[in-house]
Amino acid sequence: AQKVTQAQTEISVVEKEDVTLDCVYETRDTTYYLFWYKQPPSGELVFLIRRNSFDEQNEISGRYSWNFQKSTSSFNFTITASQVVDSAVYFCALVAGNNRKLIWGLGTSLAVNP
Amino acid sequence: EAQVTQNPRYLITVTGKKLTVTCSQNMNHEYMSWYRQDPGLGLRQIYYSMNVEVTDKGDVPEGYKVSRKEKRNFPLILESPSPNQTSLYFCASSLQGVVSSNQPQHFGDGTRLSIL
Repeated sequence: AQKVTQAQTEISVVEKEDVTLDCVYETRDTTYYLFWYKQPPSGELVFLIRRNSFDEQNEISGRYSWNFQKSTSSFNFTITASQVVDSAVYFCALVAGNNRKLIWGLGTSLAVNP
Repeated sequence: EAQVTQNPRYLITVTGKKLTVTCSQNMNHEYMSWYRQDPGLGLRQIYYSMNVEVTDKGDVPEGYKVSRKEKRNFPLILESPSPNQTSLYFCASSLQGVVSSNQPQHFGDGTRLSIL
């Protein structure tokens, strides 16, 4: 079975704090892809990153960074020096093997307070 | 500008009155998909299409129809809408399948449907 778990339903931080959003996935396939999407209050889904199972190198994009660890089946997302504009729901998702669809986590709602 | 366009963005209607939500993409993508998003349930796939005239059921296809007569368009049809179809709907497209070389799945801005 394939599954994505985002254990944190809601997180609230104060601006400039660092925050990590957890994502744990399950799959028996050796080839898979992991994604993060952002859904701001306006409702649209914004693609943030895609990572394939053969590339465990961590990625940094500005204040965003992602830590992919196959040993723990995790693909965590860290926002450094959070800002109010980071307030959104963040989704982690998985595509594995010959599956043709995204398996979504239930999302983590992040509130960054001034 | 590359985009997926959904219409309408908002719709309030009544039970049983047929409606269509249009989805159009200008990226020549082969793969298109419809999702619904509900509180506590996340995003669930309704239907998807690998190419013109090829459509398949997703996780929650009941009560919906789709068609893919042209590559760019993938309308979602509710023949007899019911209140349990009140939801936020997203159309998405990608080059080939859900995962394709260097191309993520692009989403429309969403359609909020309320069925009374």
